[in-house]
Amino acid sequence: DVKVTQSSRYLVKRTGEKVFLECVQDMDHENMFWYRQDPGLGLRLIYFSYDVKMKEKGDIPEGYSVSREKKERFSLILESASTNQTSMYLCASSTTGTTDEQYFGPGTRLTVT
Amino acid sequence: GENVEQHPSTLSVQEGDSAVIKCTYSDSASNYFPWYKQELGKRPQLIIDIRSNVGEKKDQRIAVTLNKTAKHFSLHITETQPEDSAVYFCAASIWGTDKLIFGTGTRLQVFP
Repeated sequence: DVKVTQSSRYLVKRTGEKVFLECVQDMDHENMFWYRQDPGLGLRLIYFSYDVKMKEKGDIPEGYSVSREKKERFSLILESASTNQTSMYLCASSTTGTTDEQYFGPGTRLTVT
Repeated sequence: GENVEQHPSTLSVQEGDSAVIKCTYSDSASNYFPWYKQELGKRPQLIIDIRSNVGEKKDQRIAVTLNKTAKHFSLHITETQPEDSAVYFCAASIWGTDKLIFGTGTRLQVFP
């Protein structure tokens, strides 16, 4: 059974703080994704990683960076948090080769005050 | 760029009725179309998917239909139950990648 975990369910940070969101998957998946979920906007891709140290910008990368030093771990970094980054952040993973099911983590609800 | 439109944004039905959610996609090369269900406070989970070489797929009370010519696909839920209440997302694959583009979601409420 695929398991994707995220470091925090809820997080409250102040404007300007550096924020780290971590995601770990245990299925040896090559692909990992970070999405942002906002009401009425669905799931929007922030960054995508298809291998260790490999990353690709998604649709809304501004204000975010990522790190993938190990295959199972994918981190999302907010260099200087802003109030418009208050949102639900979802991590996902999938196998590679043919587009297939993405397995999601439980999400981190981030509030920036 | 690629786009997926999903309608309606909210849907209320009486228990036992059917529910239909529709999505249209822009990239004619898309070949994988999953549907995810997200219950309140939970993670999105795949409930059914279809590939472009198939026109319809069914799994108990849920079915998905795909019209490649019109570039739209639909989720059909029959004999709805209160536990079907959730947000449903459609998605379409982006050709040449392992990425998906998601619709904006449909909040389905099933009233007893």
